[in-house]
Amino acid sequence: DAKTTQPNSMESNEEEPVHLPCNHSTISGTDYIHWYRQLPSQGPEYVIHGLTSNVNNRMASLAIAEDRKSSTLILHRATLRDAAVYYCILPMNNNAGNMLTFGGGTRLMVKP
Amino acid sequence: DTEVTQTPKHLVMGMTNKKSLKCEQHMGHRAMYWYKQKAKKPPELMFVYSYEKLSINESVPSRFSPECPNSSLLNLHLHALQPEDSALYLCASSLWTGNQPQHFGDGTRLSIL
Repeated sequence: DAKTTQPNSMESNEEEPVHLPCNHSTISGTDYIHWYRQLPSQGPEYVIHGLTSNVNNRMASLAIAEDRKSSTLILHRATLRDAAVYYCILPMNNNAGNMLTFGGGTRLMVKP
Repeated sequence: DTEVTQTPKHLVMGMTNKKSLKCEQHMGHRAMYWYKQKAKKPPELMFVYSYEKLSINESVPSRFSPECPNSSLLNLHLHALQPEDSALYLCASSLWTGNQPQHFGDGTRLSIL
């Protein structure tokens, strides 16, 4: 399985942009890149996913490097509610199911 | 509020008890999942159900017994658990097509005395 590497923690100021990096140097051509986050006392929440092109949705943007060996989740304007653990995952899909293997993630702290 | 509902939110049980965790979704998802999350650790996949059939068992001990009675419900039956089984148990669901996001419930926090 392709693995991901993320910094253990990052800090941001409220209302400033946040760039959360993820390295996935062993990614294969068909691996999608998914991001989830987990707020305190809640289950994980889907944020965004992409394959090759940059993606935007109401929560965040995903910038994917041209060689696909890294990606960056961008929160355009951090709020206190964005304090969470952010997971970068390359799901494994086979005939049996869609499997998420969570790594350690990045704990994002947002300062007022 | 999540679209995946888990009950109960908290459960305390002894090692000889039998209890069940319940998960429900009404999004028409045909894949459902159980994860286990220990404190300060990431979630770990336990089971995957696809069209009400067990498709993946990640070498989970038999004291955990999953059941999918219909496309909206997923149960996890617990029997003779050990103290190290105390954790947050998360349920998720997704559309069957690959690379669709998973929707998680907020979990059942289980404590084994």
